[in-house]
Amino acid sequence: GAGVSQSPRYKVAKRGQDVALRCDPISGHVSLFWYQQALGQGPEFLTYFQNEAQLDKSGLPSDRFFAERPEGSVSTLKIQRTQQEDSAVYLCASSFRERLTEAFFGQGTRLTVV
Amino acid sequence: QQQVKQSPQSLIVQKGGISIINCAYENTAFDYFPWYQQFPGKGPALLIAIRPDVSEKKEGRFTISFNKSAKQFSLHIMDSQPGDSATYFCAASKETSGSRLTFGEGTQLTVNP
Repeated sequence: GAGVSQSPRYKVAKRGQDVALRCDPISGHVSLFWYQQALGQGPEFLTYFQNEAQLDKSGLPSDRFFAERPEGSVSTLKIQRTQQEDSAVYLCASSFRERLTEAFFGQGTRLTVV
Repeated sequence: QQQVKQSPQSLIVQKGGISIINCAYENTAFDYFPWYQQFPGKGPALLIAIRPDVSEKKEGRFTISFNKSAKQFSLHIMDSQPGDSATYFCAASKETSGSRLTFGEGTQLTVNP
């Protein structure tokens, strides 16, 4: 595709519900990142994949958050037992080389936990 | 720990004026400093980036000034236009670390016609 695609664009979840957010990176991009952006704040790093390997998950806020990229392309961010504080925009970004060049961001998934 | 501090939080500029946004960082290991532009409902888009071996980089109306000794860098938007109205984020990373970006808090820029 032409850019990073994320789905769904919007998700409303009841507290305690599990959610799965999908990211389709730009074809051929080796690196994939997930960020969390709270309202009015800058994005905060969650996790990083190089191909299928999750090399850094230090930003995941709790063990309720889990990310995978099994075939080195599409990635899924899963949040179990959602809480109100999980409400945020979840951004996915990809870049071509293993190290940072230009990270292209998707439009994000806005998660609202009610 | 807020490793990248950005100011001002909001900025109003008249069309044709210069917009200046400032950032300061703490981690001297950072070696890549990009600026991102974000419109409502969209993801951040890379505007311009600099590495610490140069003190200034210009691309069109956008210029980054970098002061390594002060651990500060700034974005200057010349001839600001209403279409520049957006939220701007500075960021920093260590390229050898797998590229995680540390973002500032953001500056909401409004350019009045």
